Amino acid sequence: DIQMTQSPSSVSASVGDRVTITCRASQDIRTWLDWYQQKAGRAPRLLIYAASSLQSGVPSRFSGSGSGTDFTLTINSLQPEDFATYYCQQAHSVPLTFGGGTKIDIK
Amino acid sequence: EVQLVESGGGVVRPGGSLRLSCAASGFTFDDYGMSWVRQVPGKGLEWVSGINWNGGDIGYADSVKGRFTISRDNAKHSLYLQMNNLRAEDTALYYCARSITSVVVTAFGDWGQGTLVTVSS
Repeated sequence: DIQMTQSPSSVSASVGDRVTITCRASQDIRTWLDWYQQKAGRAPRLLIYAASSLQSGVPSRFSGSGSGTDFTLTINSLQPEDFATYYCQQAHSVPLTFGGGTKIDIK
Repeated sequence: EVQLVESGGGVVRPGGSLRLSCAASGFTFDDYGMSWVRQVPGKGLEWVSGINWNGGDIGYADSVKGRFTISRDNAKHSLYLQMNNLRAEDTALYYCARSITSVVVTAFGDWGQGTLVTVSS
C-alpha cells in the first residue's frame, strides 16, 4: 500500500498569511494526488485534483504542485473560512490512501 | 444539485452485520465511480471500498477485504455496502463519495453527510 505522510500535523496562522502544507508518498504516484478541506462536523470538500488542477468553485488562492513523491498545497492570503483540516489522497492505485491531515488554526 | 444521502447506520454487536445505502440524485449515476470512505470521529479519513461505473471494477481496503461487499444498482441510483463480521474498529462515520470520473481510482468530488456505524457489545 502507498503511505501518505503530511506535514506539519498542525499549524497556527493568521488571516492574510501564506500557508504551505506538504504531502509525501511512499512511492512514485506521478501526479495522482488530490487535496481536500474538511471543517468540523462537515464532509470533506475536494480542492485540488491531479496535483494542480483546481476543482470548480474553489477560490484561486488555493494551489497545488508537485509530482512523483513530493507535493504541496499552498493557500495564499488565508481567509477566516480557511481554518480547517486538510488531507491529501493518492489516486494512483488501490487501496486509495489519505494523509493524516493538517489542521490550520488561528494564531 | 448533486445529492448523496446515506442510510443504514446504527449500533450493532461485534460479529453482526449492517447494510449501508447511498441514494444519489442530481447527476447521471452510471457515469461515475463511487466509493465509501469512513472516519472515526476526531480522526482521519480511510477509504473503504470503491466501484466503477458499471460494477466491473471493485476495490477494497485490506482492513475490510473479505468482510465488506460493495455494490450498486444503476437503475435505482443507489450504492450499497454490505458489512459482515463487524468489529469494534469498524466504528466510524461512513461517507458515500462520488468519483470525478467513471473509475475507482480517482478523486472524490462530492460527498454525503455520512451515516454512523457503532460496533459495541
